Amino acid sequence: SQQGEEDPQALSIQEGENATMNCSYKTSINNLQWYRQNSGRGLVHLILIRSNEREKHSGRLRVTLDTSKKSSSLLITASRAADTASYFCATDGATASYDKVIFGPGTSLSVIP
Amino acid sequence: GAVVSQHPSRVICKSGTSVKIECRSLDFQATTMFWYRQFPKQSLMLMATSNEGSKATYEQGVEKDKFLINHASLTLSTLTVTSAHPEDSSFYICSAQPGGTYEQYFGPGTRLTVT
Repeated sequence: SQQGEEDPQALSIQEGENATMNCSYKTSINNLQWYRQNSGRGLVHLILIRSNEREKHSGRLRVTLDTSKKSSSLLITASRAADTASYFCATDGATASYDKVIFGPGTSLSVIP
Repeated sequence: GAVVSQHPSRVICKSGTSVKIECRSLDFQATTMFWYRQFPKQSLMLMATSNEGSKATYEQGVEKDKFLINHASLTLSTLTVTSAHPEDSSFYICSAQPGGTYEQYFGPGTRLTVT
């Protein structure tokens, strides 16, 4: 079963604008990761934030994590048409013998040139 | 570094036949590999987790006798879809996790079409 929810499910913005996607999850986690997927392709890892971190930056990406609210956000600044893709958050929490990673439903981002 | 390959990238098979998909970590040893299925416009659904040398752990609702997983070495896991049906048509993605880390590296996926 899926761990979390993403909001919004679809987002359409103009090139140059910022895009914010949110992710909520239900159980305790070790880490939260964001991935990008172009249509029909594999996943590209964007950023990992650990449960003891609150914010992380990578280029035009900014990720926040609020473990008290069990939520995370991904901000893409100065968006480009090439950012058009689906974005997924994924959480992992340790079970007895391995770390199980569960994906949220994803946000489909369209950046209009 | 941290490259994961999948083979084949696309496969079309007839209903009732079996299909094997390979997942390889090319430049690292993966103690754990994960298999996901993704239907169009949906998210990835975890099917099973395999640890090298032990039986795979299947998620609820995934038939272990239909989706056979073998993790024979630290660089190879295989998923065999047995007696495939059209409803098994999907995008199958594997990921590999190096020992002692939380990061996963994803393969490019395999598009299975069952006719």
